[in-house]
Amino acid sequence: DAMVIQNPRYQVTQFGKPVTLSCSQTLNHNVMYWYQQKSSQAPKLLFHYYDKDFNNEADTPDNFQSRRPNTSFCFLDIRSPGLGDAAMYLCATSRGGGVSTDTQYFGPGTRLTVL
Amino acid sequence: DAKTTQPNSMESNEEEPVHLPCNHSTISGTDYIHWYRQLPSQGPEYVIHGLTSNVNNRMASLAIAEDRKSSTLILHRATLRDAAVYYCIGVNYGQNFVFGPGTRLSVLP
Repeated sequence: DAMVIQNPRYQVTQFGKPVTLSCSQTLNHNVMYWYQQKSSQAPKLLFHYYDKDFNNEADTPDNFQSRRPNTSFCFLDIRSPGLGDAAMYLCATSRGGGVSTDTQYFGPGTRLTVL
Repeated sequence: DAKTTQPNSMESNEEEPVHLPCNHSTISGTDYIHWYRQLPSQGPEYVIHGLTSNVNNRMASLAIAEDRKSSTLILHRATLRDAAVYYCIGVNYGQNFVFGPGTRLSVLP
C-alpha cells in the first residue's frame, strides 16, 4: 500500500562521514523531490528530478548531491555532514503533468542526526 | 510564487468546524492555491487545491475570495486526527512549491 517509501526512518552519522538516504516510489511518477525540514520549520526544496533531468535549487549547498538510477529510486547523498545538516529529509513525487495542479505525494521522511 | 501569510496557530474544539485563513495578496491570475497538512512525525499530505471557484472534497472545502487575495480552508467537523500544521501554497506552472511557516492547528477534546 505504501506509495513513497523512505529508508531508513532514522539515520545517525558522524560529523564529516558521508551518508546516503534512499527513496523509492510505487506510483511510476516522473518527478521526484528532496526537501529538508529542520526542527519547527517548513520543508525547503533542495532539488528535484524530472525523469533523468536534475534541477538544483540555487541555494542548495554543494555538500548535497542526488542520484536517480531509475524511475522508482532516488538517493540523497550528503558528502560531509555538518551539525547544521541535522534535519528531517522528505522525499516526494508527482506526475509532472503541470506543476500548478500537480499533487505531491510525500514519504514519511528520514530523520538525520549528526554526532 | 505567490507569497502567502497564515496565522501561526489556531485552536478548535472537537466536532466543530474550523476555518483556516490564508492571505495571498500578490497572487497572479494563473496561480493555484494548494493546501497541504503535516501530521506529527509524518510527511506533508495533500488536502485540496483550487484556482477561482470554491472546491470540495472528502477532506475539506476551499473557499477562494472573489478577488483571489485570500482563501479559507474549511474542516467541517474537526477531529483529534486533524491536529497538524496546515500549509497554504501559491503555485504557478513551472514553479516549485515554497512552503511558508503554516498554521499549527490544535484540536481540543
